Amino acid sequence: GDSVTQMEGPVTLSEEAFLTINCTYTATGYPSLFWYVQYPGEGLQLLLKATKADDKGSNKGFEATYRKETTSFHLEKGSVQVSDSAVYFCALSDRSQGNLIFGKGTKLSVKP
Amino acid sequence: NAGVTQTPKFQVLKTGQSMTLQCAQDMNHEYMSWYRQDPGMGLRLIHYSVGAGITDQGEVPNGYNVSRSTTEDFPLRLLSAAPSQTSVYFCASSSHGQAILGYTFGSGTRLTVV
Repeated sequence: GDSVTQMEGPVTLSEEAFLTINCTYTATGYPSLFWYVQYPGEGLQLLLKATKADDKGSNKGFEATYRKETTSFHLEKGSVQVSDSAVYFCALSDRSQGNLIFGKGTKLSVKP
Repeated sequence: NAGVTQTPKFQVLKTGQSMTLQCAQDMNHEYMSWYRQDPGMGLRLIHYSVGAGITDQGEVPNGYNVSRSTTEDFPLRLLSAAPSQTSVYFCASSSHGQAILGYTFGSGTRLTVV
């Protein structure tokens, strides 16, 4: 079945450092891909999305490009802030039912 | 504020007890779902519904029941709680079942079964 694999955490960075969180997927067909963010004590929020190969999703300085050839959707940010500390989830949507399938999440801590 | 409302926020149950986790949305979304979040496991789909009167199983449905009598509400029932059901539960909704439009998540229910 469809699945998502993302890098293990936790990831600890200093403020203004470059962030990459790796995400790869296995799916039949061409799923849509997402990054969700969960701040402490809250539910998940959609961060960005891409619906087809070579699409780039972006929001709040974060970017991810849908790479069909490598089945990847890595999350990047050029300069992280303390306020970016959260858990990040990569996900794909199951084409048949539209359900979201999540990776295990990567906890990011940004130190001042 | 529009969104997904989950109650209660916290609950402690004894093994064997039953309870219902409530989920309500006021966005007229057809699609609603329940996930559980466990450390190192990400979010796993329990049950989902594509409209009133229609429900289906997700990845981990055992031990849980759902019903969808109205568009707004999608309660999750634990019939006989077990320690393995200790988790954080999230309800989510979307329009027309379209994940691409973005899911709206509730703030979660933290359940402990002792």
